[in-house]
Amino acid sequence: DTGVSQDPRHKITKRGQNVTFRCDPISEHNRLYWYRQTLGQGPEFLTYFQNEAQLEKSRLLSDRFSAERPKGSFSTLEIQRTEQGDSAMYLCASSLFARGAGSPYEQYFGPGTRLTVT
Amino acid sequence: GDSVTQMEGPVTLSEEAFLTINCTYTATGYPSLFWYVQYPGEGLQLLLKATKADDKGSNKGFEATYRKETTSFHLEKGSVQVSDSAVYFCALSGYNQGGKLIFGQGTELSVKP
Repeated sequence: DTGVSQDPRHKITKRGQNVTFRCDPISEHNRLYWYRQTLGQGPEFLTYFQNEAQLEKSRLLSDRFSAERPKGSFSTLEIQRTEQGDSAMYLCASSLFARGAGSPYEQYFGPGTRLTVT
Repeated sequence: GDSVTQMEGPVTLSEEAFLTINCTYTATGYPSLFWYVQYPGEGLQLLLKATKADDKGSNKGFEATYRKETTSFHLEKGSVQVSDSAVYFCALSGYNQGGKLIFGQGTELSVKP
């Protein structure tokens, strides 16, 4: 078990460019979550997947954001036409959500991708 | 809607002092409660959890008790160390929250030698 990994760890981009982040969850986990964290604030929910299905999206997730989890394993989060307000830490988390699972609401986080839009 | 409120920081303590970080919540249903810790430049690590009323979560000398009557989950440690310096987040999640975590704003703790 190698934990949740995210790539890249840091991304600097110019306003208007597109960026894509990748998250690899813990291998046996079926749920994968994306959160955004700005300086001095707690993480805010963006979206989550159960296996390959995207089950919920926050109203924070504008049309410029899209997320996929094509085979129910890794996930990508793409931001199109980046704006300075998109600068934040993007966190991925995973969990095992199943009947009989010890603690289905317990999530494990990756190290995050810090995005800076100049 | 569901929310978590933490005491504002930063909290500055001397080594071996007693720590309390207050956390209260508003939620529908019967959520699980969590404390996560974030060290500089890192992601969030689960520190402890409690899944039902009166449960006490504990880990690494930290404790918190799920108090339904006061809707609180205060974090305590009897003797803090410099290595405990970090940002601490209280959070909740459950069936009524769709499994997503709802976080407080975080409390920064600085422990001086």
